[in-house]
Amino acid sequence: ILNVEQSPQSLHVQEGDSTNFTCSFPSSNFYALHWYRWETAKSPEALFVMTLNGDEKKKGRISATLNTKEGYSYLYIKGSQPEDSATYLCAHSGSARQLTFGSGTQLTVLP
Amino acid sequence: DAGVIQSPRHEVTEMGQEVTLRCKPISGHDYLFWYRQTMMRGLELLIYFNNNVPIDDSGMPEDRFSAKMPNASFSTLKIQPSEPRDSAVYFCASSFDRTGVDGYTFGSGTRLTVV
Repeated sequence: ILNVEQSPQSLHVQEGDSTNFTCSFPSSNFYALHWYRWETAKSPEALFVMTLNGDEKKKGRISATLNTKEGYSYLYIKGSQPEDSATYLCAHSGSARQLTFGSGTQLTVLP
Repeated sequence: DAGVIQSPRHEVTEMGQEVTLRCKPISGHDYLFWYRQTMMRGLELLIYFNNNVPIDDSGMPEDRFSAKMPNASFSTLKIQPSEPRDSAVYFCASSFDRTGVDGYTFGSGTRLTVV
């Protein structure tokens, strides 16, 4: 994988459902993996920064895991709420240290 | 701290005009980044500065684009002459380091429309 890829591109879930999405990145060149939450008409807001293989981070109902050996990270949302509706971006930094962003997963939580 | 401050929030200009976007990073952040967000390409890095010095401008689309950082609290991104394909949201972000150990802090963006 040469670029940062996110899937799915968009997702609709019902309020109360749990959901997860994937970020894939180059495993051969890794320094850090970021997750951002981006609400419409606002700016991206940092959720997590992970650097170690096996890292797990949690903030409220949102958590993330990291596998640097195989080059993926999962973002989980437990018991989705309408206010969780946003685009979730992941970004990877490698040896060059600067971030490359994926195209995001657009989540819509239906009440 | 008020966060990263960008101005203007919206800019509508005619093709051929000069456009200047402004950014004030968070005090103490040594890195400043300019990103452009479009439907086709997502968030793409245009240029970044470290301690006011441009480090990598390989993302700048063409010579019509230029960026400066005259001091630690101010940066500009200029497009001259502007073209309709430059229409996008331009974000400025700052961080303590290039990797953003605490994540990057983004400004609210400038939505540029070139007609």
